[in-house]
Amino acid sequence: AQKVTQAQTEISVVEKEDVTLDCVYETRDTTYYLFWYKQPPSGELVFLIRRNSFDEQNEISGRYSWNFQKSTSSFNFTITASQVVDSAVYFCALSDINTGTASKLTFGTGTRLQVTL
Amino acid sequence: DARVTQTPRHKVTEMGQEVTMRCQPILGHNTVFWYRQTMMQGLELLAYFRNRAPLDDSGMPKDRFSAEMPDATLATLKIQPSEPRDSAVYFCASGPDRENTEAFFGQGTRLTVV
Repeated sequence: AQKVTQAQTEISVVEKEDVTLDCVYETRDTTYYLFWYKQPPSGELVFLIRRNSFDEQNEISGRYSWNFQKSTSSFNFTITASQVVDSAVYFCALSDINTGTASKLTFGTGTRLQVTL
Repeated sequence: DARVTQTPRHKVTEMGQEVTMRCQPILGHNTVFWYRQTMMQGLELLAYFRNRAPLDDSGMPKDRFSAEMPDATLATLKIQPSEPRDSAVYFCASGPDRENTEAFFGQGTRLTVV
């Protein structure tokens, strides 16, 4: 069975601080996809990144960066110089590609990030 | 700007009433998913379809929930009869039928059963 663990329930930081959100996953599949989604207070789920299990290169997109380490089954997300607009719940998710699509997801419980002035 | 559309956005109903939630997937997407979000269980998959055929509804309480795709542009999730424990946000998501893609989520239907 697949599992995603986000041990940090809630994190509070002051604006401009860097923050890392942890994600650890379990799967028996050799090929899989990992995702991060953002859920702002308005409630929608916003896609942030998709990562293939064969691609362990770190990725940077503006103030966001992701560190994928297969050896530790982790896919951590760092926000550099956090801003108030980053306040949201962030979900890590794992796909079950045995369905033929990466859209069937197992979600972690989410980490609520609060960025204050 | 393609998006998944869910209606209604909010629904308040009395226990025992039938509730129908609707989803219009993105045109061309042939996989459709229903997820439920609650404080206790988080985001969990209820059911999913490929090419309108239900492939897995093991996450759904069978006695009161039903999911269908009458056509490629409409997916429905029905609860009959509704119970207070069904109060949650229900998300629909759609995606192309391939591995290297992500699910596109609707804005959700917030259901409150009183």
